[in-house]
Amino acid sequence: QVQLKESGPGLVQPSQTLSLTCTVSGFSLTSYNVHWVRQPTGKGLEWMGVIWTGGSTDYNSALKSRLSISRDTSKSQVFLKMNSLQTEDIATYYCARDGLPGYLDYWGQGVMVTVSS
Amino acid sequence: DIQMTQSPASLSASLEEIVTITCQASQDIGNWLAWYQQKPGKSPQLLIYDATSLADGVPSRFSGSRSGTQYSLKISRLQVEDIGSYYCQQAHSNPTFGGGTKLELK
Repeated sequence: QVQLKESGPGLVQPSQTLSLTCTVSGFSLTSYNVHWVRQPTGKGLEWMGVIWTGGSTDYNSALKSRLSISRDTSKSQVFLKMNSLQTEDIATYYCARDGLPGYLDYWGQGVMVTVSS
Repeated sequence: DIQMTQSPASLSASLEEIVTITCQASQDIGNWLAWYQQKPGKSPQLLIYDATSLADGVPSRFSGSRSGTQYSLKISRLQVEDIGSYYCQQAHSNPTFGGGTKLELK
């Protein structure tokens, strides 16, 4: 069945780089787009970016200068890297499959990221 | 970027009550609109897509509608398992979400 699972360090120091991995199963990254969405505790959802089936990417304009999304199709993994982390980046980070064009039909469980020294 | 203005931000309702949540798009997005439910401590789940289509496994008491650039999610008879937060999302361009509605039991 379709599954997505985020992994990565739960704690990042201020000004450092966040690196997260989304490992998927039950579908191919060459057939479905994968998005990253984040949610500060107690607040709403913010779309971060997407890697399309062909490997190209699009990013939220507010994060574009700090954000990079890539993938390894042989390992069924999507990677998120965001630099210059600050306290405003404290959030739960989700990866999600774009199963119905434009709509997120499967989500990972999320990974909580804290920014602190 | 397309802005999605969702209301109300919070809502208290009784069991079996009809609940309506709305989202206003800042420009024409056609039917490119989804609704998600998020229960406390869980990931969001797709409820409705293309403004009115029910996602697989979603109870029929949920429905979506559109009037111009205003979209609505209706729960016809509120159940205890419907408690949580709800978000709209436009899919006309790179996704943007509404601010969310926290639904509580009265």
